[in-house]
Amino acid sequence: DTEVTQTPKHLVMGMTNKKSLKCEQHMGHRAMYWYKQKAKKPPELMFVYSYEKLSINESVPSRFSPECPNSSLLNLHLHALQPEDSALYLCASSSVSTGPNYGYTFGSGTRLTVV
Amino acid sequence: AQSVTQLDSHVSVSEGTPVLLRCNYSSSYSPSLFWYVQHPNKGLQLLLKYTSAATLVKGINGFEAEFKKSETSFHLTKPSAHMSDAAEYFCVVPGGATNKLIFGTGTLLAVQP
Repeated sequence: DTEVTQTPKHLVMGMTNKKSLKCEQHMGHRAMYWYKQKAKKPPELMFVYSYEKLSINESVPSRFSPECPNSSLLNLHLHALQPEDSALYLCASSSVSTGPNYGYTFGSGTRLTVV
Repeated sequence: AQSVTQLDSHVSVSEGTPVLLRCNYSSSYSPSLFWYVQHPNKGLQLLLKYTSAATLVKGINGFEAEFKKSETSFHLTKPSAHMSDAAEYFCVVPGGATNKLIFGTGTLLAVQP
């Protein structure tokens, strides 16, 4: 299995809702990432998990809460989002030992719309 | 610090003609380099990667790129464009000591019939 699977593919939520994005991989990768991508822009790193521990938080607002319950799963919990948080959220994974030097495997993303 | 510059934000070619997407990098050492492709409303797919082996790298869907240290370039080429090649292309370099990827600003490739 050489894929990163993200669910749901599309999500519409109100500003008072709580929702979660899910990411799963079975490639044995121990580094997992959340990226945010606005229209016509490159992806921006949000969080990095290495061996299920948060290693990088790119000063992301606390309304985004990541969780890595095991080596195959990565969640992003959303609460009290703003309309400007509407974006494509991408999950990725890589080997920790080779790190990004051999590239990441990206999922197809969750298109989030905050109304 | 590592960085990449994509020299064209938009490139338009006719189907069957060659494709050239330009990328220059800045690094204090010979880095790994990647090209990713993103079709509309899709995730990113790795097209090819350079990891200090052969300087001419072949990727998927007929794309290739040549690492030129003297020119600090890693341009993406394809001999003959297909309609399905229309997408956004990102040149990417690892961010050094951190587990980060540094993305270029992207090049939108349009393929005209």
